Amino acid sequence: AQSVSQHNHHVILSEAASLELGCNYSYGGTVNLFWYVQYPGQHLQLLLKYFSGDPLVKGIKGFEAEFIKSKFSFNLRKPSVQWSDTAEYFCAVTARAAGNKLTFGGGTRVLVKP
Amino acid sequence: EAQVTQNPRYLITVTGKKLTVTCSQNMNHEYMSWYRQDPGLGLRQIYYSMNVEVTDKGDVPEGYKVSRKEKRNFPLILESPSPNQTSLYFCASSLGADISYYEQYFGPGTRLTVT
Repeated sequence: AQSVSQHNHHVILSEAASLELGCNYSYGGTVNLFWYVQYPGQHLQLLLKYFSGDPLVKGIKGFEAEFIKSKFSFNLRKPSVQWSDTAEYFCAVTARAAGNKLTFGGGTRVLVKP
Repeated sequence: EAQVTQNPRYLITVTGKKLTVTCSQNMNHEYMSWYRQDPGLGLRQIYYSMNVEVTDKGDVPEGYKVSRKEKRNFPLILESPSPNQTSLYFCASSLGADISYYEQYFGPGTRLTVT
């Protein structure tokens, strides 16, 4: 069964600092990868997704993620965070051969101090 | 406005009292799904539906039922709620049944407490 691991449960940083959130998945076949964001009190929104092609994916709000197949990783980055980036971030994976199912990581809570 | 709506948004109930959480989407989406979100566990899929009258179990279906009689609605039913079903529930929908390709749109969530 596929699984997704997010290593950091909580991250605290100051505005203008750089952010990198780790995501590793266990499935060895062809995968599609997603990062979702949940702002306080709001529903999940898609930040970015990777299906194929350029392994460096750019999303909304200045976020990007890099797919490294050899490391089974899809880390999320932002060069300079803002207070409004305070949210919970979820990595998610689908794999056609594993069924039509979206598997989420445990989430990382990010607090950006002004 | 294109959206997924859930009702109620907050619910406190007692063990054993049947309840239904409604989910509706106005985007003519084929695929609908229910998730529960628990701290440190992320979102786990309860049930999903690839079209009207087609439903299937997700990762954590025990204690839940669903139905898909109309394309726009996908209610989640707890016949006999227990405290371990206290959680935050999200409904989601996507245009196509292949969620590897189509983005899922999430509802605002329903916070359920079972005492």
